[in-house]
Amino acid sequence: QVQLVESGGGVVQPGRSLRLSCAGSGFTFSSFAMNWVRQAPGKGLEWVALISFDSGNEDYEESVKGRFTVSRDNSKNTLYLQMNSLRVDDTAVYYCARGEGFGDFDYWGQGTLVTVSS
Amino acid sequence: DIQMTQSPSSLSASVGDRVTITCRASQIISNYLNWYQQKPGKAPKLLIYAASNLQNGVPSRFSGGGSGTDFTLTISSLQPEDFATYYCQQSYNTPYSFGQGTKLEIK
Repeated sequence: QVQLVESGGGVVQPGRSLRLSCAGSGFTFSSFAMNWVRQAPGKGLEWVALISFDSGNEDYEESVKGRFTVSRDNSKNTLYLQMNSLRVDDTAVYYCARGEGFGDFDYWGQGTLVTVSS
Repeated sequence: DIQMTQSPSSLSASVGDRVTITCRASQIISNYLNWYQQKPGKAPKLLIYAASNLQNGVPSRFSGGGSGTDFTLTISSLQPEDFATYYCQQSYNTPYSFGQGTKLEIK
């Protein structure tokens, strides 16, 4: 069955960096676009980043452009989110989600919590 | 950027009720509209994609409709496990955007 498992979350000070990972299994990882979606505590869902199946295209939500970088290693079935210059308002649970043909997200990981605090 | 507005923000209903949640886009998005259910502490779950297509394994009491800018999610007969928060999402273009959510509570 399809599984997505995030890791790498934790507590970090403002201005520091963190890298999240998302390991996929149970499907042909290299055939699907992948996304990062976040949810601040008690708030709604916010799309963060997208990477195409072959890494040929990336896109970002405006507030993370220039600070976050999405990447993938299809040989390892793994998606990454490099987060630099973290801010307090980046505090959230970060989910990876598989992108389907209509831009819908049909499978999600369990999420990893990133807390940015001094 | 496309803004998504859901109504109502919260809704109280009873088991067996029929409920409808609406979602409005700030511009025409054709049928690039998806619906998700989220329970506390859990990841969202895809219910409906392309406005009206039921995701595999989702009960048939869930249905979606609409096109252009106005969309609906209907639950025909509420079950206890349906009490959750529901989000719409546009996938017409990036940045993808979600509605603010509708919390469905037990009356």
